[in-house]
Amino acid sequence: DQQVKQNSPSLSVQEGRISILNCDYTNSMFDYFLWYKKYPAEGPTFLISISSIKDKNEDGRFTVFLNKSAKHLSLHIVPSQPGDSAVYFCAASEGGGSQGNLIFGKGTKLSVKP
Amino acid sequence: EAGVAQSPRYKIIEKRQSVAFWCNPISGHATLYWYQQILGQGPKLLIQFQNNGVVDDSQLPKDRFSAERLKGVDSTLKIQPAKLEDSAVYLCASSSPSGGTDTTDTQYFGPGTRLTVL
Repeated sequence: DQQVKQNSPSLSVQEGRISILNCDYTNSMFDYFLWYKKYPAEGPTFLISISSIKDKNEDGRFTVFLNKSAKHLSLHIVPSQPGDSAVYFCAASEGGGSQGNLIFGKGTKLSVKP
Repeated sequence: EAGVAQSPRYKIIEKRQSVAFWCNPISGHATLYWYQQILGQGPKLLIQFQNNGVVDDSQLPKDRFSAERLKGVDSTLKIQPAKLEDSAVYLCASSSPSGGTDTTDTQYFGPGTRLTVL
């Protein structure tokens, strides 16, 4: 049973527009959430995270929103750039922050068209 | 700063053969992780070390998989014997320059080893 779900396998966006990647989770004990970006033939790279005590965290063009009641989080990229084209993984952990067992979703492939 | 190093990058073996993967974490990182990523899935944790001790190996198939981290630095992951369903990318990650006291320490991933079992 998947505890972290990314229901959109792919997303295509025009350069300069907003990209919104979504993630749902089922385990109410998750208290720390992360987004990783992965290019082909490379390992995942940490992008941004959020603790369950917050509902928003921003870092430059990247903002993560957390809706605990809906068990939903989203990653907003504004403006989108061609270099953002990659697979984005949502991950969650219970009790260990980013040190714990990260439960990953299946990923969403983002394509940003010039 | 050098990243997480893994070798080999690719490996093709026949089922029932043995295989070993090597990982060198970022210098000073106390925590080391091995993940398995099957095609189309997200990474799944196999084992987590803190220095040279095991923190979590609950998802490691111990009848065929083994891992060690001698001296708390490098680590090896072994599969013996391999099955077709072991075909995956094996990712190593490291974290905790603070020695595990800061739960916001990021996990840094290596490039992975792509294993194909025929």
